Amino acid sequence: GNSVTQMEGPVTLSEEAFLTINCTYTATGYPSLFWYVQYPGEGLQLLLKATKADDKGSNKGFEATYRKETTSFHLEKGSVQVSDSAVYFCALSDWGGSEKLVFGKGMKLTVNP
Amino acid sequence: GAVVSQHPSRVICKSGTSVKIECRSLDFQATTMFWYRQFPKKSLMLMATSNEGSKATYEQGVEKDKFLINHASLTLSTLTVTSAHPEDSSFYICSVENPSGLSSYNEQFFGPGTRLTVL
Repeated sequence: GNSVTQMEGPVTLSEEAFLTINCTYTATGYPSLFWYVQYPGEGLQLLLKATKADDKGSNKGFEATYRKETTSFHLEKGSVQVSDSAVYFCALSDWGGSEKLVFGKGMKLTVNP
Repeated sequence: GAVVSQHPSRVICKSGTSVKIECRSLDFQATTMFWYRQFPKKSLMLMATSNEGSKATYEQGVEKDKFLINHASLTLSTLTVTSAHPEDSSFYICSVENPSGLSSYNEQFFGPGTRLTVL
C-alpha cells in the first residue's frame, strides 16, 4: 500500500539556520503530496501541498517540490525562526472516495534564539 | 480555514469503562469527518471515515464494535471507546473534510486531539 517515510528527529536548530526535512513516498497512481505542521497545543494545519509532478508548494517561507523521479517531497526553509518550532508531517493522499491521508511519523523541530 | 474542536482534550479512565470523544465543526457543515489515532513516535493512523447520516467506514484492523462512531449531525461526530483497556491509551485526532469544489483536493481541517489514558 501507500506509505510515507520522513526524517524523524527531533531536530534542534539555531535561528536563521537552513532547514531540510526529507520525505519520500511509495504510492500507486498519482497521489497529491502535503506537509502539515502541528504547533504546540494546536491541531494539524496544512502548510503546503503539490498535486502533480514538478509542482512546487510554498507557504511562510517553506518550499517543497514534487519529484516523481525520486518519489520525494523534501521540505526546505532558508532561515528558520523560533516560531517555526513545531512537529512537521509529510503526507500523501490516498483516494478512496474521500481524500484519505497517509502520514509519515512526524518530525519535531525546535528552533533556539 | 475551518475551526474544529474536540472535547475533552484529556481524559483518564479506568479499565473497562467507556469514553466518548466529541469532534465539532464550528463554522461549516461537514458531511465527512475522519478519526485518527496517533501512537508515540509514530504517524497518525486513519481509523475510520465518518459520514453524516450513514455508517462509518472503518480501516482494516480497526474493531468497529470497539470504536463506535456516530455522525448524527453535520457539525458533530463522536468516537466512543468501549470497554477501554490500557492498550487503547493514545492520542485521538479528528478532522473534517471541506470539499473545495475548485480542485481535486478536499482539504482536511484537524482538531487539537484528545489524549486518552486508560489505567
